[in-house]
Amino acid sequence: DAGVIQSPRHEVTEMGQEVTLRCKPISGHDYLFWYRQTMMRGLELLIYFNNNVPIDDSGMPEDRFSAKMPNASFSTLKIQPSEPRDSAVYFCASSPTSNQPQHFGDGTRLSIL
Amino acid sequence: RKEVEQDPGPFNVPEGATVAFNCTYSNSASQSFFWYRQDCRKEPKLLMSVYSSGNEDGRFTAQLNRASQYISLLIRDSKLSDSATYLCVVNPWSARQLTFGSGTQLTVLP
Repeated sequence: DAGVIQSPRHEVTEMGQEVTLRCKPISGHDYLFWYRQTMMRGLELLIYFNNNVPIDDSGMPEDRFSAKMPNASFSTLKIQPSEPRDSAVYFCASSPTSNQPQHFGDGTRLSIL
Repeated sequence: RKEVEQDPGPFNVPEGATVAFNCTYSNSASQSFFWYRQDCRKEPKLLMSVYSSGNEDGRFTAQLNRASQYISLLIRDSKLSDSATYLCVVNPWSARQLTFGSGTQLTVLP
């Protein structure tokens, strides 16, 4: 079975550029989560969706970050403009319900120069 | 107080040792509990769920103590391949999504 698919795996770009991260959740999973992980702050929940609707975006650091889920099989996390402090690993995860374990994608390693 | 707290370690143990991690949670209404494992530069992966009566999966035993609001993970006969970061995960019912602890780092030494 295909797991959560994220792209790109790695992204290196200069500050000020727009960055778009993509995620395809596991088919049939109603919940989709975006996380950011750094050494200093650990794993942080940025936003999550239920049936394509954003439920809680209180973890989104600032207005430069936005996320969309236009359909059940695709979500994007966008950073515009990007800054060096946005450098981190960004994970997408999905789960069938809110109480069940989440399955993570391989992550996107983002470096902003 | 953090919702989920773990001792960050690191725990360095010899191969074959038994090691235990604890994790405390603040919301007494929490319903679901899990242990995840994360290898270096990889994504977190579900290790096991934690049930009220405690549960075992091979060398791994998970327990839940609701009265004291902690969960534990016991690893017996540790292997080199057990070296990883172990994340405690709790689902506070009111919050509706999983809350991850910051992880406990384990290194099993030859």
